[in-house]
Amino acid sequence: EVQLVQSGAEVKKPGESLRISCQGSGYSFTTSWISWVRQMPGRGLEWMGRIDPSDSYTNYSPSFQGHVTISADKSISTAYLQWSSLKASDTAMYYCARHVDYSNPLDYWGQGTLVTVSS
Amino acid sequence: DFVMTQSPDSLAVSLGERATINCKSSQSVLYNSNNKNYLAWYQQRPGQPPKLLIYWASTRESGVPDRFSGSGSGTDFTLTISSLQAEDVAVYYCQQYFSPPLTFGGGTKVEIK
Repeated sequence: EVQLVQSGAEVKKPGESLRISCQGSGYSFTTSWISWVRQMPGRGLEWMGRIDPSDSYTNYSPSFQGHVTISADKSISTAYLQWSSLKASDTAMYYCARHVDYSNPLDYWGQGTLVTVSS
Repeated sequence: DFVMTQSPDSLAVSLGERATINCKSSQSVLYNSNNKNYLAWYQQRPGQPPKLLIYWASTRESGVPDRFSGSGSGTDFTLTISSLQAEDVAVYYCQQYFSPPLTFGGGTKVEIK
């Protein structure tokens, strides 16, 4: 069974750094991409970017380029989403999702990680 | 970027009745070389992550009840729930995967009347 298991909820202060994770199981981690999707409170879904775990090649949405970093460690089947300096506006639910490539839909999703940034 | 526009924002339907959600793309998501529409529909129940329902505009994901159907081509698409059940209360999103950045519609909230 394909599963994406994300790390737990985080409460941080503005300016702090954070890395959240997404561990895949039940499939070969390097044969699919991982995308990250943001959902702000009461809002819709926004694609942030993706990584190919086989070579760690990344692409970002222009809206998120330079604000976050996506990485992966294929040895432990885990992808990461990282911030160097959080803002209150980063408060949101973050989902990881799997897809074979851009020409395929997001077929499996993680359970989500709630990030709250508040002073 | 492809802008995906859904309508209505919300709708209330009686149990057993039909629900229809529309999605319009700012550019065609039909790839002429394979005649496939790069359009997916997702269901997000309250407090849950999104779930893939339909891809290639009209192909149901494994395990999705056949009361869910997708139609349309090019720039105009529809998700139909033929007989609404209580468990279908959710927000539904369309998404194009024709060209990055991947983009979603704003969502349609389906409730019971």
